[in-house]
Amino acid sequence: NAGVTQTPKFRVLKTGQSMTLLCAQDMNHEYMYWYRQDPGMGLRLIHYSVGEGTTAKGEVPDGYNVSRLKKQNFLLGLESAAPSQTSVYFCASTRAGLRQPQHFGDGTRLSIL
Amino acid sequence: GQQLNQSPQSMFIQEGEDVSMNCTSSSIFNTWLWYKQDPGEGPVLLIALYKAGELTSNGRLTAQFGITRKDSFLNISASIPSDVGIYFCAGQPYNQAGTALIFGKGTTLSVSS
Repeated sequence: NAGVTQTPKFRVLKTGQSMTLLCAQDMNHEYMYWYRQDPGMGLRLIHYSVGEGTTAKGEVPDGYNVSRLKKQNFLLGLESAAPSQTSVYFCASTRAGLRQPQHFGDGTRLSIL
Repeated sequence: GQQLNQSPQSMFIQEGEDVSMNCTSSSIFNTWLWYKQDPGEGPVLLIALYKAGELTSNGRLTAQFGITRKDSFLNISASIPSDVGIYFCAGQPYNQAGTALIFGKGTTLSVSS
């Protein structure tokens, strides 16, 4: 009963390093999302995907790239990490259509030094 | 972009007290969701609302979708220590199925026994 799985759970990077966060869902959901959560800010959308091979920008996309090569996976990349990207990142997925609530993973805590 | 105003920002209550929190928007939503987030975990869906005026309960939790489609509230009755956490409202803009949710900034609930 995995649902939405994020890896890694924690990571510390140096400024300028790159890394990829992986989100995997086993519910055959069409839509997937990446959010970041900062203190007092709620969750803000970075990028999302409505299907395999398609991605779109959210509210705060700068400094991030994404890919959806397989339906079950949604990757979030940081090409050159900056301290401002220190945050908790959440992945979510949902079925297509109206009245479909989003299901979240447990988050990836990323610190950029 | 669209924003949700969630209040109060934080609450400190005694065990057994009732709690009420709400969210308002300047635009119409076709879905209102209430999530709870425990420390170190992702948001977990509590209640989903899909029709204006809808009143839905989940145990001690009750939520309503405002008739104007621009607001929602969540009530928790007879609070217990495990109710501690951050509660988020989230809305899906009208006629935009598949797009990401817009989140409020959260209400942090503390319960003393």
